[in-house]
Amino acid sequence: EVQLVESGGGLLQPGGSLRLSCATSGFTFDNYAMAWVRQAPGKGLEWVSVISGPGITTYYADSVKGRFTISRDNPKNTLYLDMNSLKVEDTAIYYCAKESWGVPAAHLDSWGQGSLVTVSS
Amino acid sequence: QSVLTQPPSASGTPGQRVTISCAGRTSNIGTNYVAWYQQFPGTAPKLLIHRDTQRPSGIPDRFSGSKSGTSASLAISGLRSEDEADYYCATWDDSLIGPVFGGGTKLTVL
Repeated sequence: EVQLVESGGGLLQPGGSLRLSCATSGFTFDNYAMAWVRQAPGKGLEWVSVISGPGITTYYADSVKGRFTISRDNPKNTLYLDMNSLKVEDTAIYYCAKESWGVPAAHLDSWGQGSLVTVSS
Repeated sequence: QSVLTQPPSASGTPGQRVTISCAGRTSNIGTNYVAWYQQFPGTAPKLLIHRDTQRPSGIPDRFSGSKSGTSASLAISGLRSEDEADYYCATWDDSLIGPVFGGGTKLTVL
């Protein structure tokens, strides 16, 4: 059974930093691209970042480019999202999700439960 | 404003067939596979349709996807009260070089 478990969310002040982690199990981690998707309160889904299976190719939404960094530790089957210079508008539930293939394609077949990040002064 | 355009809401009565549209461009829907997601309040989204028309295992055949040109659609037949949820389309965009979501459609079962 595929499992994705996020951790690291919390309450931060604007300008702060945070690392989200996503521990995975139940599949061959390095064979699949992985993604972070967020959802602000009462809003729709927004892609944040995607990384290919080997970790060579990454994509960032314009809203987080230069501030967030996606990475993966394939031997540890873990996905990360380093978030810097946080803004109030980054407040959202952050979901870790598994792509259906090794390359990003917007086909996320498994999702974590989500981790709440709140940025407020 | 989302790259993919969905109606913000849709509704139907039990047993009816409802269709949700997703309009895009050549660089996204016109070139790449479309996925559809279902999300209930307070829960993570779930993949409903992949590769335009394919259902993952466990998804009832009441749900079907189609695509024509730069538009895609999700159809739900034999509507049930438990189908009341938010639905999102998604695909890759070759111009943006990234994934894109639709704005989501809130389905109400009357």
